[in-house]
Amino acid sequence: GAVVSQHPSRVICKSGTSVKIECRSLDFQATTMFWYRQFPKKSLMLMATSNEGSKATYEQGVEKDKFLINHASLTLSTLTVTSAHPEDSSFYICSARSGQRITEAFFGQGTRLTVV
Amino acid sequence: AQKVTQAQTEISVVEKEDVTLDCVYETRDTTYYLFWYKQPPSGELVFLIRRNSFDEQNEISGRYSWNFQKSTSSFNFTITASQVVDSAVYFCALSETGQLTFGSGTQLTVLP
Repeated sequence: GAVVSQHPSRVICKSGTSVKIECRSLDFQATTMFWYRQFPKKSLMLMATSNEGSKATYEQGVEKDKFLINHASLTLSTLTVTSAHPEDSSFYICSARSGQRITEAFFGQGTRLTVV
Repeated sequence: AQKVTQAQTEISVVEKEDVTLDCVYETRDTTYYLFWYKQPPSGELVFLIRRNSFDEQNEISGRYSWNFQKSTSSFNFTITASQVVDSAVYFCALSETGQLTFGSGTQLTVLP
């Protein structure tokens, strides 16, 4: 199957700083990327959908200014958690979809963010 | 709107027992995909299976088997002869356009 690489896998940052998480499709062009968040012992909740070259569509309740998503190329999307606070600590995972296979998406390895 | 229900929050079995994880879904589309993922304590999502809505044939892969019943909108997952390494959270998910809707997950604990 297609490979999606997410980096970093773990990050610890100080409260008030910003953290950038990268999601790359390694062997296909990802026209759409999805960002999910998972709270401890909870399911994965969709945060936003981004299409290459356009603004991301955020789910209700997700702060756009807090979670900046950029999808500038067909192989890279980034999620930046701005002015991080301890409540932003979570597991973030991306998935990427090729426009040719719209009912299938491939997941990155996830990023565990801890804000101290 | 699509919805996935995993009614079993936690299941605990003894090694070598068989266990079935239930998944019920709701969708208005006729074309969709169903998935099962395993999430071990390390956190990454491990893909187990994808089934499209037009293929109701049950599948077996080693100790894993899946029963897809469109009539009851269910896609159940059975592990036979469970092992301690099977302990993880298992998620069922539904996709219509590539965006996945996940169930709440079932925490499976296999005791030695």
